[in-house]
Amino acid sequence: QSALTQPASVSGSPGQSITISCTGTSSDIGSFNLVSWYQQHPGKAPKLMIYEVVKRPSGVSNRFSGSKSGNTASLTISGLQAEDEADYYCCSYAGSITYVVFGGGTKLTVL
Amino acid sequence: QVLLVQSGAEVKKPGASVKVSCKASGYTFTDHYMHWVRQAPGQGLEWMGWINPNSGGTNYAQKFQGRVTMTRDTSISTAYMELSRLRSDDTAVYYCARELVVGDDFGYWGQGTLVTVSS
Repeated sequence: QSALTQPASVSGSPGQSITISCTGTSSDIGSFNLVSWYQQHPGKAPKLMIYEVVKRPSGVSNRFSGSKSGNTASLTISGLQAEDEADYYCCSYAGSITYVVFGGGTKLTVL
Repeated sequence: QVLLVQSGAEVKKPGASVKVSCKASGYTFTDHYMHWVRQAPGQGLEWMGWINPNSGGTNYAQKFQGRVTMTRDTSISTAYMELSRLRSDDTAVYYCARELVVGDDFGYWGQGTLVTVSS
């Protein structure tokens, strides 16, 4: 069982927006603005899409955005495209001992 | 550009050890921590630990303490992860990963190394 809770799957049609939630606790998401999100296509290494809750690395589309409220972080993808179909993982810093925890992953299907 | 290139796939018997390498290029190796993350087949990501290439200091996830050893060779900009007393549930793709700038994220990833543990 993963430390952070994500829905197993979400889906949307091209052009629509979807949001993936990531629920943690006051020991991780709730205590630090250090949530990151990763996109992973089958057979590929994960790719950083969002870091420090809301920041996008250079080269990542502005269709991807992040937010946080309390112990829950969210990833929103607007203007869905077929290439967005992938697994998405959230991750949060959880202190110097645990360091980081991941969510179980969410499979995004673009209908 | 930052590049992390890992060693090839391994097949090991239960009880054996495996050592995976990760050669870094495109940046100063000692400026950024190197992390190891694994992913069992069809499963999620699991952080294993980090090594500070500058000092050699390490921080291992509690789950792997006593079985994992992370080292580095600064002369060839390469980090290593050795996992001992392998079990079948250690079968996974093992990734090395570097922070994007300085932080608790994984901005750069190696291509992954599949380690299969089977008798």
